[in-house]
Amino acid sequence: EEQLVESGGGLVQPGGSLRLSCAASGFTFTTYWMAWVRQAPGKGLEWVANIKQDGSESHYVDSVKGRFTISRDNAKKSSDLQMNSLRADDTAVYFCATVNMVRGIIMMWGQGTLVIVSS
Amino acid sequence: DIQMTQSPSSLSASVGDRVTISCRASQSINNFLNWYQQKPGKAPKLLIYTTSNLHSGVPSRFSGSGSGTDFTLTINSLQPEDFATYYCQQGHTSPPWTFGQGTKVEIK
Repeated sequence: EEQLVESGGGLVQPGGSLRLSCAASGFTFTTYWMAWVRQAPGKGLEWVANIKQDGSESHYVDSVKGRFTISRDNAKKSSDLQMNSLRADDTAVYFCATVNMVRGIIMMWGQGTLVIVSS
Repeated sequence: DIQMTQSPSSLSASVGDRVTISCRASQSINNFLNWYQQKPGKAPKLLIYTTSNLHSGVPSRFSGSGSGTDFTLTINSLQPEDFATYYCQQGHTSPPWTFGQGTKVEIK
């Protein structure tokens, strides 16, 4: 079964850091770009970041540039999102996903992990 | 960035109804328009990609159409399991990719 499982969410103070992880299974991990998409409580979806199959290229939404870093480890079939200088408006469920970059399609989603930034 | 506007933001419908949801892009996105379904507390799921292609396993009562800046998701004969929130998303060129604000389909 194809699956993405996120972990690492939790409560963090403003200005703090958190590292999210996404474990992939059931498919050839190196086929896809990976992405993180977030959803603030009661709000819509926001694409956050993408990373290429070999890790050589990545993109970020403007609001997280310089604070968040996406990475991947193809040997471990995982993708991480390092989040620094967290703000209250980063509070959201963070979903890991596979991406068809050619057509801009978010193919498969994990179940999400909740990040709460609050003092 | 390309802005995506969905309408309506919510609608009430009955089982068996035909439902249409619109999505408009702030500039042409060719046919790089995707639709997702999200149920409460769950991750979104891909429904339709590149305007009109049904993702694997999606029932044929779902269909998509449009081009340029205007797109439509249609659900023929709404079923109980279709009550959810639907999002459009543009995948035109490089990121940032953007989503519509969502349309919540509720039971009348």
